[in-house]
Amino acid sequence: DGGITQSPKYLFRKEGQNVTLSCEQNLNHDAMYWYRQDPGQGLRLIYYSQIVNDFQKGDIAEGYSVSREKKESFPLTVTSAQKNPTAFYLCASSERSEAFFGQGTRLTVV
Amino acid sequence: AQSVTQPDIHITVSEGASLELRCNYSYGATPYLFWYVQSPGQGLQLLLKYFSGDTLVQGIKGFEAEFKRSQSSFNLRKPSVHWSDAAEYFCAVRADTGRRALTFGSGTRLQVQP
Repeated sequence: DGGITQSPKYLFRKEGQNVTLSCEQNLNHDAMYWYRQDPGQGLRLIYYSQIVNDFQKGDIAEGYSVSREKKESFPLTVTSAQKNPTAFYLCASSERSEAFFGQGTRLTVV
Repeated sequence: AQSVTQPDIHITVSEGASLELRCNYSYGATPYLFWYVQSPGQGLQLLLKYFSGDTLVQGIKGFEAEFKRSQSSFNLRKPSVHWSDAAEYFCAVRADTGRRALTFGSGTRLQVQP
C-alpha cells in the first residue's frame, strides 16, 4: 500500500542527546514536511522540502535539522539545542493537492 | 502569511445532533482550504478540501464544509453526529504559490455524548 511510514512510534531521549526520526514515503511525492504537535497548539511547521536536495526552515526550525538525499526519505534530527523536544512529531508529503500524514512519533525526554 | 483561527477549543454534542465547527482564515488570495481529523495518538486524515468552484464541498464520513469568501470562513458541518466522530478536528490553509506547506488552526476537540 502507498503511504508514509514514520519510525519509531515512541522514542525516549536523554537530555543532551541527538535523536533522529525517520520518515519514508512511497507515494512518489516531491514535497515533504515535518510538523510538531503540542496540546492546544495545533501543528507547527519545522522544516519542509519541495524537491530532493533542497529544504527550507519552517516556523520553528531552531534545534532541528533535516536532510533530503532521496525522494522517498526526509529524516528529522532533534539536536541537544532543542530545549523542549517532548512532543508529537508528524511527517507529511504532498504533490499538487492535499498532504498525506504518517502516524507520528512521540518523543519524550527522560 | 496565512493564518487559521478555530475559535472553539472544545465542543460537546449529543449523538444524533447536528454539528458545526468554525474556521476563519487569513490569506490575501484565493486559499486552498482543508479539514483534517485526528484520533488520539494517530496521524491526520483528510475529511475534505476546497480549491475552487462550488463553495459547498462534500467530504468523507458525511461531513461537508462551506467556503464563504466574504466572511473568510470555512465551517465544517455534519447533520447527525455519531459516537465515532469524537476526535480532534483541524482546519488548514495553503497558499497556491511559494511556500505550499499547510498552516493549521489550533484544533477543536469534539466530544459526543450518548
